[in-house]
Amino acid sequence: LAKTTQPISMDSYEGQEVNITCSHNNIATNDYITWYQQFPSQGPRFIIQGYKTKVTNEVASLFIPADRKSSTLSLPRVSLSDTAVYYCLVVMTSGTYKYIFGTGTRLKVLA
Amino acid sequence: NAGVMQNPRHLVRRRGQEARLRCSPMKGHSHVYWYRQLPEEGLKFMVYLQKENIIDESGMPKERFSAEFPKEGPSILRIQQVVRGDSAAYFCASSPPSSQGETQYFGPGTRLLVL
Repeated sequence: LAKTTQPISMDSYEGQEVNITCSHNNIATNDYITWYQQFPSQGPRFIIQGYKTKVTNEVASLFIPADRKSSTLSLPRVSLSDTAVYYCLVVMTSGTYKYIFGTGTRLKVLA
Repeated sequence: NAGVMQNPRHLVRRRGQEARLRCSPMKGHSHVYWYRQLPEEGLKFMVYLQKENIIDESGMPKERFSAEFPKEGPSILRIQQVVRGDSAAYFCASSPPSSQGETQYFGPGTRLLVL
């Protein structure tokens, strides 16, 4: 079963690029990686999803190396409103589907 | 297009009572997932349902917890004889028929407090 680990917390300043890495050493060939943002007292909000290499959308980029044992969420030019907890989710598609959330990274953006 | 709806948003129960949590998926979505989040912790998968079928309940406690997603109406997560340890936020997510959960859309959650 894939276990996902993330740094507990990170601090950054407004305007900087933030990279948050998730380790998923036991990921299988067909498993997907998704990242979510969660504000206090709210449900997680989808940010980006990928399978391999690099994916970019209007809010973030996702880098997945060839061995897929980790993935990195990149947030360009963060603002105060990006202060939140960020979770990676590994969707295991082999056999019965399983959904393994990471431990979460608490990002604090400072002025 | 309304998002995932959950109600109630807050629920208070005394030990031994039943808690019933409802989830209406996004329009067009036929897959529903339930997660539990303890204070200051991450989300833990509980159950994955499609209309009238439980696909994966590997994260559900063996006793007191059950879930259903009937042909008509919302998905229900039912907790019988609640205990203080059941106090948590319960989130529901949905995904379209073409997906198996690669992209899930979450509701606002139900915060259960057991006194």
